[in-house]
Amino acid sequence: DGGITQSPKYLFRKEGQNVTLSCEQNLNHDAMYWYRQDPGQGLRLIYYSQIVNDFQKGDIAEGYSVSREKKESFPLTVTSAQKNPTAFYLCASSMDQGEEKLFFGSGTQLSVL
Amino acid sequence: DAKTTQPTSMDCAEGRAANLPCNHSTISGNEYVYWYRQIHSQGPQYIIHGLKNNETNEMASLIITEDRKSSTLILPHATLRDTAVYYCIVPPIQGAQKLVFGQGTRLTINP
Repeated sequence: DGGITQSPKYLFRKEGQNVTLSCEQNLNHDAMYWYRQDPGQGLRLIYYSQIVNDFQKGDIAEGYSVSREKKESFPLTVTSAQKNPTAFYLCASSMDQGEEKLFFGSGTQLSVL
Repeated sequence: DAKTTQPTSMDCAEGRAANLPCNHSTISGNEYVYWYRQIHSQGPQYIIHGLKNNETNEMASLIITEDRKSSTLILPHATLRDTAVYYCIVPPIQGAQKLVFGQGTRLTINP
């Protein structure tokens, strides 16, 4: 089945540690996105990528980094500069940047130890 | 931006039709209305979208008023699995990075 796979489901970060969240899609979509969701809140855009080797900052990019070396993969690194990383992280993709029908992964819950 | 307004929460009995309203009074002529839902601890799921005409798919129906200032998402026979947060979104310009997932409506389907 085609879809988006996020791993791990749960992740714990120690103080001062960088952690990387995985996002893989086999939908052959050009565009991919990362969102952050805090409890009881909506989604906020962290980064998005319209095509391989290109990505743009979203509304809350500080303390995060991404790469897009392959069409299928868009990993998100939560750096030690992100002082409040505890949140639910969601990855999504769309056929292209102009397509507003998004397909989401099942999310990664990141917590700080 | 075409801001949307939705009720914070709604309840519906299982087997009945769930009607979720959304106001978007500042919508412009070429802006679509999108609906997504998010079941607890999962990623959002696309439901339906429309421009002017009513739309129906296997999940739901979307009714858009003639002046396009409001719309209603209809789940014709709600089940317990339809309990979720429903987001009504009007992207200002074409581009998925402009989708704003606000607070949405928390729909609870009661047995």
